[in-house]
Amino acid sequence: GNSVTQMEGPVTLSEEAFLTINCTYTATGYPSLFWYVQYPGEGLQLLLKATKADDKGSNKGFEATYRKETTSFHLEKGSVQVSDSAVYFCALIGSTQGGSEKLVFGKGMKLTVNP
Amino acid sequence: DVKVTQSSRYLVKRTGEKVFLECVQDMDHENMFWYRQDPGLGLRLIYFSYDVKMKEKGDIPEGYSVSREKKERFSLILESASTNQTSMYLCASSLWGQGVREKLFFGSGTQLSVL
Repeated sequence: GNSVTQMEGPVTLSEEAFLTINCTYTATGYPSLFWYVQYPGEGLQLLLKATKADDKGSNKGFEATYRKETTSFHLEKGSVQVSDSAVYFCALIGSTQGGSEKLVFGKGMKLTVNP
Repeated sequence: DVKVTQSSRYLVKRTGEKVFLECVQDMDHENMFWYRQDPGLGLRLIYFSYDVKMKEKGDIPEGYSVSREKKERFSLILESASTNQTSMYLCASSLWGQGVREKLFFGSGTQLSVL
């Protein structure tokens, strides 16, 4: 079945540091890939997505590129802020028709950014 | 603004009690989901529903049941609560169909403690 493996952390960085969170996946066909973020005390929300190979998703200074050759979707940000402290989840959904397939999440990685 | 509301933020129950967790969405979404979130395990899907009175088991349905009598409401039921059901429970909803089904809108969660 489909699965996602991501860095689990926790990770602590200083403000303005570079961030990379690794995510690799296993899936048949051509899945769509996502990063969700959960800020303290809140539910998850969609951060960015990519639906085909070589697509780059971006939002709020974060970027991730869908790499089919390495089955990866690593999340990056050039300069993190304290407000980026959150738990980050990589996820995928399969490529079946009809909308019946469900999201599969990684285990999440907690990021703390210190001033 | 899109909203998924979970009835309680914190809940404390005793072993053996029947527990109801309620979730309401105001977006007219067809799909609704219940997840539990545990440290080191990430999000695990308990049950989901694609329509009123329709339900499907997720990855960990044992010990749980659900009810969807109206489109906007999806209830999770713990028939006889046990200590290993202590967890954060997250409700989510999404539209039906490819291209939209992967954008889940989450509630803020219910932290359930079973003593």
